[in-house]
Amino acid sequence: SAVISQKPSRDICQRGTSLTIQCQVDSQVTMMFWYRQQPGQSLTLIATANQGSEATYESGFVIDKFPISRPNLTFSTLTVSNMSPEDSSIYLCSVERDGEQYFGPGTRLTVT
Amino acid sequence: QKEVEQNSGPLSVPEGAIASLNCTYSDRGSQSFFWYRQYSGKSPELIMSIYSNGDKEDGRFTAQLNKASQYVSLLIRDSQPSDSATYLCAVKMIKAAGNKLTFGGGTRVLVKP
Repeated sequence: SAVISQKPSRDICQRGTSLTIQCQVDSQVTMMFWYRQQPGQSLTLIATANQGSEATYESGFVIDKFPISRPNLTFSTLTVSNMSPEDSSIYLCSVERDGEQYFGPGTRLTVT
Repeated sequence: QKEVEQNSGPLSVPEGAIASLNCTYSDRGSQSFFWYRQYSGKSPELIMSIYSNGDKEDGRFTAQLNKASQYVSLLIRDSQPSDSATYLCAVKMIKAAGNKLTFGGGTRVLVKP
């Protein structure tokens, strides 16, 4: 398995501002993923972040809105930029280890 | 057609009974299948992975895979109130680049004492 932490665990932000979410894993992993889970919905992949390369974004998600950094093999950040109430969601970091994906505790974001 | 489909439920089962959850997927070439449990307000927790046709048992959980029929199921034996959660089926599709998972919508399970 994997031990994953995220910061912050929750935040309330004003529209138009940005929030950076941090994800830390207990040991090195090649692949990290960022998901969004809107209320009552399943998980939607935002992007895949591999160390040393640009993040790969899924359809409907763009780098200007969700810039991602992956400076090393245990850490990644996701920024939610120019937020609107529609960005209110849970944001989840995930890592793959031995072919299986494990999730962090999530960041609950509310945009007012 | 959704790529991964689950009945949203709720699936209500009495305590001690077997809960049976089903998941179908569209990509015939898919090789890896996963079941996650998600309690309300928590993140998904991996409970089972299965890669070959047939059954795989882990404690009270049994995953069943039938690639010819493109379905994967999860059985929860001796269901307990603590099993009340949403169960997410996830598939690593062969057509998808980068090891990404595609999730179903989840089945909500309620175990009644």
